[in-house]
Amino acid sequence: DQQVKQNSPSLSVQEGRISILNCDYTNSMFDYFLWYKKYPAEGPTFLISISSIKDKNEDGRFTVFLNKSAKHLSLHIVPSQPGDSAVYFCAASPFSGGYNKLIFGAGTRLAVHP
Amino acid sequence: KAGVTQTPRYLIKTRGQQVTLSCSPISGHRSVSWYQQTPGQGLQFLFEYFSETQRNKGNFPGRFSGRQFSNSRSEMNVSTLELGDSALYLCASSPASGLAGAAQYFGPGTRLTVL
Repeated sequence: DQQVKQNSPSLSVQEGRISILNCDYTNSMFDYFLWYKKYPAEGPTFLISISSIKDKNEDGRFTVFLNKSAKHLSLHIVPSQPGDSAVYFCAASPFSGGYNKLIFGAGTRLAVHP
Repeated sequence: KAGVTQTPRYLIKTRGQQVTLSCSPISGHRSVSWYQQTPGQGLQFLFEYFSETQRNKGNFPGRFSGRQFSNSRSEMNVSTLELGDSALYLCASSPASGLAGAAQYFGPGTRLTVL
């Protein structure tokens, strides 16, 4: 039972354009969401997060949008750079489980080409 | 600050053996979580320790256990290894509990291969 779903296993984007990575969740108890980036042979790196009381959070080139009614969140990267090429994981946390318990999606491999 | 360190980085064991993995969190971080990453199941939460107490547990059998020491370093143990335990085991630390602790910082992982 996948509670956090990233339905696109891969995404290819041209340098300078916008990258949009999507994530859906099923558990209404999730109230904190995070995006991580992972390079090969490294652990995931925290990118950006959003609480369920917000619908948008920005940090530089990265913006996360949350649509609670649709149980959907997305990560926008503008402009995309070749160094952004990595696997991106969406993660969710239920308050009842403590915020340090993260449920991850399967990941989306982003390739940014010149 | 130094990042999260995990030892060893690679490990090969045979079925039925047991294994202990070690994690040193970022200095000052009191919460340590463990995750298993496999191609089929993705990243799955194993357990979390905070101030030497297990605070959260995922859906893994009792063969998987862990502990945390007073200096926040953590170990996880897997007994009676099975082929399906072959995975990348990731440790993550965070500074606190609650919302402030949600952004976790991951180590590079220990790649366990069970033959």
